Amino acid sequence: DAGVIQSPRHEVTEMGQEVTLRCKPISGHDYLFWYRQTMMRGLELLIYFNNNVPIDDSGMPEDRFSAKMPNASFSTLKIQPSEPRDSAVYFCASSSPGVVYEQFFGPGTRLTVL
Amino acid sequence: KNQVEQSPQSLIILEGKNCTLQCNYTVSPFSNLRWYKQDTGRGPVSLTIMTFSENTKSNGRYTATLDADTKQSSLHITASQLSDSASYICVVPSGGSYIPTFGRGTSLIVHP
Repeated sequence: DAGVIQSPRHEVTEMGQEVTLRCKPISGHDYLFWYRQTMMRGLELLIYFNNNVPIDDSGMPEDRFSAKMPNASFSTLKIQPSEPRDSAVYFCASSSPGVVYEQFFGPGTRLTVL
Repeated sequence: KNQVEQSPQSLIILEGKNCTLQCNYTVSPFSNLRWYKQDTGRGPVSLTIMTFSENTKSNGRYTATLDADTKQSSLHITASQLSDSASYICVVPSGGSYIPTFGRGTSLIVHP
C-alpha cells in the first residue's frame, strides 16, 4: 500500500485566494482525520470522518474552512478565502478501528499564504 | 480540560548516548497512550502504544513506560543514532473517543 497520499505537497497562494488540499486515505480505512500543525500550537485536529460522514468538526477554525469526503478514497479541505494566519502544514491521517486508534499520517501539505 | 504535557521541549545529545523523554497527561477516562516520531518534513509515525494494563513496551531501541496512577509515560532511547533526530509526540485519545489530545512534542537532536 502506498500509504496516505496528499496533494499538493507545497502550496503558495495570495491572501484571499481559494485553496484546496486533497487526501487519499489507505484503502480499507474507515476513519479520516484532518490536522493542522504550527510551531505555536503544535498539532490540532480540525475534523474527522467515519465512513465518509463528518463526525466532529469542532476544530475547524471558522466558516472559511470546509471539508468533504465524497467517497471512501478521497477527501478535500478547502479554505476560502485564505489568510496569512492559515499558513501551516496540513496533515491527513486515516485509521481503522481494528488497529486500536493508530492513525497513519500522510506527508502533509505545507501551505503558505502571502 | 484534557491536557498532555511533554518535557523537555528540546534535547541535544551525542550519538551513542541514552535519553528519556517525559509525558504527563490529565486525559480521563484513559484508554491508551501512543508515542509518535516525526522526522522533519514528514508526518508522524507511530512508535508504540501503551494500554491501561501495560507498564513497559519495547520497540527496538525505544522503550516506553506507563504509570497510570501518576498519569505519566516516558520514552527511553538507548544508544542513540543520528537518525533518532526528530520530534517525539505523546498522544492520548480523549475519553475513549477518536479525538486525540497531542503533546507539543520534544525535539531531539543527536550530534555525531
